[in-house]
Amino acid sequence: SAVISQKPSRDICQRGTSLTIQCQVDSQVTMMFWYRQQPGQSLTLIATANQGSEATYESGFVIDKFPISRPNLTFSTLTVSNMSPEDSSIYLCSVKKGGFDGYTFGSGTRLTVV
Amino acid sequence: QKEVEQNSGPLSVPEGAIASLNCTYSDRGSQSFFWYRQYSGKSPELIMSIYSNGDKEDGRFTAQLNKASQYVSLLIRDSQPSDSATYLCAVNAGANNLFFGTGTRLTVIP
Repeated sequence: SAVISQKPSRDICQRGTSLTIQCQVDSQVTMMFWYRQQPGQSLTLIATANQGSEATYESGFVIDKFPISRPNLTFSTLTVSNMSPEDSSIYLCSVKKGGFDGYTFGSGTRLTVV
Repeated sequence: QKEVEQNSGPLSVPEGAIASLNCTYSDRGSQSFFWYRQYSGKSPELIMSIYSNGDKEDGRFTAQLNKASQYVSLLIRDSQPSDSATYLCAVNAGANNLFFGTGTRLTVIP
């Protein structure tokens, strides 16, 4: 399976600021996925990032709040913009390696907004 | 609306026992099913995948799928304290993303 490096691993940010999370994969992948896991809850898909095209956002998530870049087949960033305490969550990137193979997750970014 | 339902637990079993984790899903078009294990403070780790009706065994883990009943389960035999974690059921309904249940917290008591 793919090896995913995600950083930062955690951060504490002031409300109103922005944080960019980076995700680096050790092999080329077509699609990368960004998930959010709020405290005590399960994972919710934010968006799907394809190289060379705009990210596809799930209901409840918008590009202005969560802009995504996908400059090549091994890298993506997610920015959490104009943060509020409600954005305090774990953010995870994920990739799928062909066919019906399972999805692999990065180590996550634990974000606390104060 | 795609939904994946799990009992939140906590589920407690004694060491050496069989732990049974259950999951139902709402979308009949779902094609592939996964069980993830998530230790506290860690990211989810894939432990089992299943795509067709019946049982699939991998070591101490057995995944069971019944598409007619829209039901998937995970059995953990000879449970160990190191199995204590939250187990997430995930379903892929054809689109390239997963829908997760809320997870079942398992505690294996030594």
